[in-house]
Amino acid sequence: GQSLEQPSEVTAVEGAIVQINCTYQTSGFYGLSWYQQHDGGAPTFLSYNALDGLEETGRFSSFLSRSDSYGYLLLQELQMKDSASYFCAVYKSSYKLIFGSGTRLLVRP
Amino acid sequence: GAVVSQHPSWVICKSGTSVKIECRSLDFQATTMFWYRQFPKQSLMLMATSNEGSKATYEQGVEKDKFLINHASLTLSTLTVTSAHPEDSSFYICSARGAPGGGQGEQFFGPGTRLTVL
Repeated sequence: GQSLEQPSEVTAVEGAIVQINCTYQTSGFYGLSWYQQHDGGAPTFLSYNALDGLEETGRFSSFLSRSDSYGYLLLQELQMKDSASYFCAVYKSSYKLIFGSGTRLLVRP
Repeated sequence: GAVVSQHPSWVICKSGTSVKIECRSLDFQATTMFWYRQFPKQSLMLMATSNEGSKATYEQGVEKDKFLINHASLTLSTLTVTSAHPEDSSFYICSARGAPGGGQGEQFFGPGTRLTVL
């Protein structure tokens, strides 16, 4: 079987830092991606980790530990527009993407 | 670059009718496209993988005779929901990979099609 676990909801204050964790259990693992989705919109790509370590892209960073089957997305200097759902997703093969349950982030003023 | 479009953006149909949804990669050739379904406040569930010129690969539990997929060209894949019923009402999203300059691991998603079956 396969499972990806994320917190269902996270609330943070504008300007703060928030970390969204993802633990996974899958048969086959090529890498971990993170996507953002606003209500009614399409998912947009944020990051991809194939190897252990931290990847930084602007205010967003993503971390992967393959030995722990764990990753996280770190959002810094939170803005109101960051309120959205965030999904971790595992590549089971070089192209097949399986999504986690999603985390709704609410940024308060 | 790397734009994926879907048409229509929303559709309302009567129970028992069939609905076709198109997914196009506008500025790149996509050898592989994917179809997902998303119910309100839930995750994206992969339905099938569509390969140009060959039969689609369906995920376990997805009825291939109900959700017909055709990938006729490198820029177009279609999903037809046959004999739609109210429980098929959902947000259907396609994605494509293979965009030049696209980062490793990146799939480009279409804007989605909201299907409502009355």
